[in-house]
Amino acid sequence: DGGITQSPKYLFRKEGQNVTLSCEQNLNHDAMYWYRQDPGQGLRLIYYSQIVNDFQKGDIAEGYSVSREKKESFPLTVTSAQKNPTAFYLCASSTRGSGDNEQFFGPGTRLTVL
Amino acid sequence: GENVEQHPSTLSVQEGDSAVIKCTYSDSASNYFPWYKQELGKRPQLIIDIRSNVGEKKDQRIAVTLNKTAKHFSLHITETQPEDSAVYFCAATVYNQGGKLIFGQGTELSVKP
Repeated sequence: DGGITQSPKYLFRKEGQNVTLSCEQNLNHDAMYWYRQDPGQGLRLIYYSQIVNDFQKGDIAEGYSVSREKKESFPLTVTSAQKNPTAFYLCASSTRGSGDNEQFFGPGTRLTVL
Repeated sequence: GENVEQHPSTLSVQEGDSAVIKCTYSDSASNYFPWYKQELGKRPQLIIDIRSNVGEKKDQRIAVTLNKTAKHFSLHITETQPEDSAVYFCAATVYNQGGKLIFGQGTELSVKP
């Protein structure tokens, strides 16, 4: 399934807590992305990274943070500033960040705030 | 801002019929248009894509057409089967923003046996 993994599969968070979602790929892809999916809606971009040590905000970055210290890894932290974090989070990667090549998706993490 | 509109939101067809899903986009510089299929609780998977220098692409029962002048593109599935039932998403690139894709809202396709 494309060599991109996410963990955990399910995550429960209490209000006020920060949580970190893991995304790892062994495809040697330069670009990585984080999307949020809410029921009945399309995917919305949170953050993306075209190269190690560089990343850009997407359309809904408020309340989230990322890092890209290694090519293989792009963890997402959902902070307490994110007011409605319950959603399905999908990580993706592509060979390069030029925008004309396939994005491969991980299996997703379902985050629920208790 | 950039936008992708997708219609219809739900589509029900009989097995063997054709299904058509349409998308329009706002960024005239978009040059890559993928279609993803997502089964319940699973990850989206690419089923077909088209680049701006091509008007049509076909892969067995699936085809995509692109009209750059009108800024719309469509997915055509012929001889539908129950396993085609899923949510389908279209997307378009945002020019010069590092591979950023804008997704449509999705179409839930139901193929009835």
